[in-house]
Amino acid sequence: GDSVTQMEGPVTLSEEAFLTINCTYTATGYPSLFWYVQYPGEGLQLLLKATKADDKGSNKGFEATYRKETTSFHLEKGSVQVSDSAVYFCALRLNFGNEKLTFGTGTRLTIIP
Amino acid sequence: DGGITQSPKYLFRKEGQNVTLSCEQNLNHDAMYWYRQDPGQGLRLIYYSQIVNDFQKGDIAEGYSVSREKKESFPLTVTSAQKNPTAFYLCASSTGQGAHGYTFGSGTRLTVV
Repeated sequence: GDSVTQMEGPVTLSEEAFLTINCTYTATGYPSLFWYVQYPGEGLQLLLKATKADDKGSNKGFEATYRKETTSFHLEKGSVQVSDSAVYFCALRLNFGNEKLTFGTGTRLTIIP
Repeated sequence: DGGITQSPKYLFRKEGQNVTLSCEQNLNHDAMYWYRQDPGQGLRLIYYSQIVNDFQKGDIAEGYSVSREKKESFPLTVTSAQKNPTAFYLCASSTGQGAHGYTFGSGTRLTVV
């Protein structure tokens, strides 16, 4: 079946540090890939997505590139802020067949001033 | 603006009582989903519906029930058979297209008192 494996957390960084959260996947078909962010006490918000190989999704300074050859979709940000503290979920959804989203387990990120 | 609304934001239940969580969307999405999230944990799928008047069990359906009488609405009832209902409940909706991901509500926190 389909699965998403995320970097184990929690991750703690200092403000302005470089962030990478690793995400790899296995899929039975051709997926779209997503990063969602969840701030404390809130629902999930779509952060960015990529729908085909070599696409780069970007938003709010975050980036992730769909790498089919390594089945990866790592999340990066060049300089994190305290306001980036949240839980980040990687997910995939097959492009055909009205399949459900498959989520990773989430990575808690804490940024200290 | 279109969106998905969950109510109430906080809900308290006495042991032995049934409670119903509301989820309404005006995005014209066909599919709707209910997830449970425990502290520090990922998302677990309770029920989902891909079309009106039809729904399927997810991974942890025991002790829960749903209905889908209207496209816009997908209420979740937490029954007295659910032995550990204290959790954060998230509703989501989507189109049938894999590239679109899900739109999430802001969640309902249920506490048994």
